[in-house]
Amino acid sequence: GNSVTQMEGPVTLSEEAFLTINCTYTATGYPSLFWYVQYPGEGLQLLLKATKADDKGSNKGFEATYRKETTSFHLEKGSVQVSDSAVYFCALSRAGGTSYGKLTFGQGTILTVHP
Amino acid sequence: GAGVSQSPSNKVTEKGKDVELRCDPISGHTALYWYRQRLGQGLEFLIYFQGNSAPDKSGLPSDRFSAERTGESVSTLTIQRTQQEDSAVYLCASSANTGGTGELFFGEGSRLTVL
Repeated sequence: GNSVTQMEGPVTLSEEAFLTINCTYTATGYPSLFWYVQYPGEGLQLLLKATKADDKGSNKGFEATYRKETTSFHLEKGSVQVSDSAVYFCALSRAGGTSYGKLTFGQGTILTVHP
Repeated sequence: GAGVSQSPSNKVTEKGKDVELRCDPISGHTALYWYRQRLGQGLEFLIYFQGNSAPDKSGLPSDRFSAERTGESVSTLTIQRTQQEDSAVYLCASSANTGGTGELFFGEGSRLTVL
């Protein structure tokens, strides 16, 4: 079956540091890949996505590239801010079909950024 | 409302009692999902509703769990004879499901504690 493995946290960084959160997956076919973020006191929200190999998703300075050869979708940001402190979830969904939102999630990575 | 609304936000119950959790999706969203997040783990898919189609119940962990949705409106997740292992945050999400963008809009969740 499908599975997602995320880098274990928590991750603590100073402001303006470089961020990488690793995510690898196991899936049949060609899944779509997502990063969701949960800020304190809020619901999960979509950060970025990629739907096919070599696609790069980007948003709010974050980027992730769909690497089929390494089955990875690592999240990166060149310079983090205190406001990026949140829990980050990597997820995948099977390609196509009507149950597109039936996502398989990683366990989440807590990021704390200090001033 | 503007977002997905869930109630109650917190529920403490005794083992063996029944609980009901409510989700009010974004107006016009045809798809509705329930997920569960146990402490330190990723989100687990529970059930998916799409319009008037039969729901996808493949993620429900036991027959103590059930969910209903009337049309494209409110959904209720019911857990009968609660057990301590049911303690988790129960998350509801909805999507417009227009061609499979993969973007789910999550509520803040209902935290269930079974004593």
